[in-house]
Amino acid sequence: EVQLVESGGGLVQPGGSLRLSCAASGFTFSSYDMHWVRQATGKGLEWVSAIGTAGDPYYPGSEKGRFTISRENARNSLYLQMNSLRAGDTAVYYCAREAVAGTRDWYFDLWGRGTLVTVSS
Amino acid sequence: DIVMTQSPDSLAVSLGERATINCKSSQSVLYSSNNKNSLAWYQQKPGQPPKLLIYWASTRESGVPDRFSGSGSRTDFTLTISSLQAEDVAVYYCQQYYSTPPTFGQGTKLEIK
Repeated sequence: EVQLVESGGGLVQPGGSLRLSCAASGFTFSSYDMHWVRQATGKGLEWVSAIGTAGDPYYPGSEKGRFTISRENARNSLYLQMNSLRAGDTAVYYCAREAVAGTRDWYFDLWGRGTLVTVSS
Repeated sequence: DIVMTQSPDSLAVSLGERATINCKSSQSVLYSSNNKNSLAWYQQKPGQPPKLLIYWASTRESGVPDRFSGSGSRTDFTLTISSLQAEDVAVYYCQQYYSTPPTFGQGTKLEIK
């Protein structure tokens, strides 16, 4: 079955760190750019980061280096290391796949169910 | 960054009636090289991840009912549901992928009147 399954979310104190994982199955993971998209409760979708097939990372211009995306193709896994977390990072974090492998047309046809990150003291 | 603005924020439509959601981008998302608009639409139901409905502004994703259609070009786009069904109750998002970062509209909540 083609799917993405996120894990690693939880409750963390402000200033803390968390590492999210996304396990991919049912498709050739190494051929696709992969993404993290987050959604605060009751709010809209916000793109967080992407990583190309060669491991090249992409972040929003506003991101000040707190997050690091990585992938391990041998394990069909995507990661997001999040440091210096703050309350505004509280959200469901989705792993998502670009729809057509290798095109860099970043619309997303496959999403995981998400993992909840709560930043609170 | 390209700002995507949807209207209305919420919409109530009777079953069987037409629903129309608009999306406006702060700059053109039309690729001159292929004459395609880099605009996608998603549907999100409570407790679920988004589901891709439309890409390239008007191409329906496989398995999406043909009552869903997308139109528009450059900066102005529309998602139309021709005959609303109960299962269409959801929040709908547009997204541009013309430039990085990809950005989403704020969402439009569609309900039954």
